[in-house]
Amino acid sequence: LAKTTQPISMDSYEGQEVNITCSHNNIATNDYITWYQQFPSQGPRFIIQGYKTKVTNEVASLFIPADRKSSTLSLPRVSLSDTAVYYCLVADSGYSTLTFGKGTMLLVSP
Amino acid sequence: GAVVSQHPSWVICKSGTSVKIECRSLDFQATTMFWYRQFPKQSLMLMATSNEGSKATYEQGVEKDKFLINHASLTLSTLTVTSAHPEDSSFYICSARASRRRYLETQYFGPGTRLLVL
Repeated sequence: LAKTTQPISMDSYEGQEVNITCSHNNIATNDYITWYQQFPSQGPRFIIQGYKTKVTNEVASLFIPADRKSSTLSLPRVSLSDTAVYYCLVADSGYSTLTFGKGTMLLVSP
Repeated sequence: GAVVSQHPSWVICKSGTSVKIECRSLDFQATTMFWYRQFPKQSLMLMATSNEGSKATYEQGVEKDKFLINHASLTLSTLTVTSAHPEDSSFYICSARASRRRYLETQYFGPGTRLLVL
């Protein structure tokens, strides 16, 4: 499984766009990139998954450059309730395990 | 989206007793389920991978005789913490991998079970 590197923490204010970048220099051809959100005392919640270019859903966008060695999770107009830990993971489509790194603690202030 | 439930959500038990935690995939079949443990302010650590109808695969350092896993059906996996001790107190989270027939082929997580051993 490819290792990922994310900032330990980020601060933002309500209404701002937040971009969290994840590095995965050793990503393999079959690997997908998946982001999860976790609130205290809850299980991780799936946010978005992508393989290349750009993926958008109702809560976030995922930008993946051509070399796929990094990815950026974009959260538009964050609110206080977006305060959480965000995990970036890479694994192939037939994976059987996920390895969680430390994640990024996002703090959104009023 | 894919829903995974866990029961109970929290449990307090005396040292030496056994505790069973259930994990269910509610709207999809999961041939593979996973069990994680998370200590305060730390990341999730995979304990074991559970495949329906076969023995679980445990990660290095996880005692298979202490953490019994049963995956009896395509929607249910159970984790039994046997002879629990205070150091087993933790947040236990399960996940289930969906097939691409209905959802993205990724893991969907349950809400977690808080275990406190006195």
